[in-house]
Amino acid sequence: DIVMTQSPDSLAVSLGERATINCKSGQSVLSSSNRKNYLAWYQHKPGQPPKLLIYWASTRESGVPDRFSGSGSGTDFTLTISSLQAEDVAAYYCQQYYSAPCTFGQGTKLEIK
Amino acid sequence: EVQLVESGGGLVQPGGSLRLSCAVSGFTLSEHYIDWVRQAAGKGLEWVGRSRNKRNNYITEYAASVKGRFTLSRDDSTNSLYLQMNSLKTEDTAVYYCVTWVDGAARYWGQGTLVTVSS
Repeated sequence: DIVMTQSPDSLAVSLGERATINCKSGQSVLSSSNRKNYLAWYQHKPGQPPKLLIYWASTRESGVPDRFSGSGSGTDFTLTISSLQAEDVAAYYCQQYYSAPCTFGQGTKLEIK
Repeated sequence: EVQLVESGGGLVQPGGSLRLSCAVSGFTLSEHYIDWVRQAAGKGLEWVGRSRNKRNNYITEYAASVKGRFTLSRDDSTNSLYLQMNSLKTEDTAVYYCVTWVDGAARYWGQGTLVTVSS
């Protein structure tokens, strides 16, 4: 199984400031056949289903504000929120879908400082 | 509009069984993978299992924590997917989501159904 490790576990950022969440996979999730990283990011708020933010490591889902961006390749990935808004308070998860089981990171809880 | 609606959750005793359903609309079920993901209270997201599409022979895959106890099946004619859960344990208590993969991303999620395993 591919182990996904996020850091930090929790993060407090001031409104308008940058938030950065890291995700490391235990093995590469970069496909040699199509050169795509099988890595997604989700936002999860209480009482709601998770919401897809980023897939293929850096492709923003339609309708997701452009303050959200994903980067990285191979085993190291980053989700960046360029200017934190109040509605961004949530838990954030990375997930690899390179191979089953499609493991999630343990999550990062993002709060307002 | 793509929709997934889970049902079948409830209270069950340890060792018991429960069958969850995921009714889908707005897309052709046979063409898509469907995953189940769960979240226990205060915990993170856990991938439970996958039913691949017709092109991939409906192959099913499971997390180690549920393998041998949970079984996925689907009925494409009624646009429904099922998660049969046997030998339930207290640690299976969670909200269970079904989610479909479209164009390389898990973009459509149901609202979830709560399963509580307790005596």
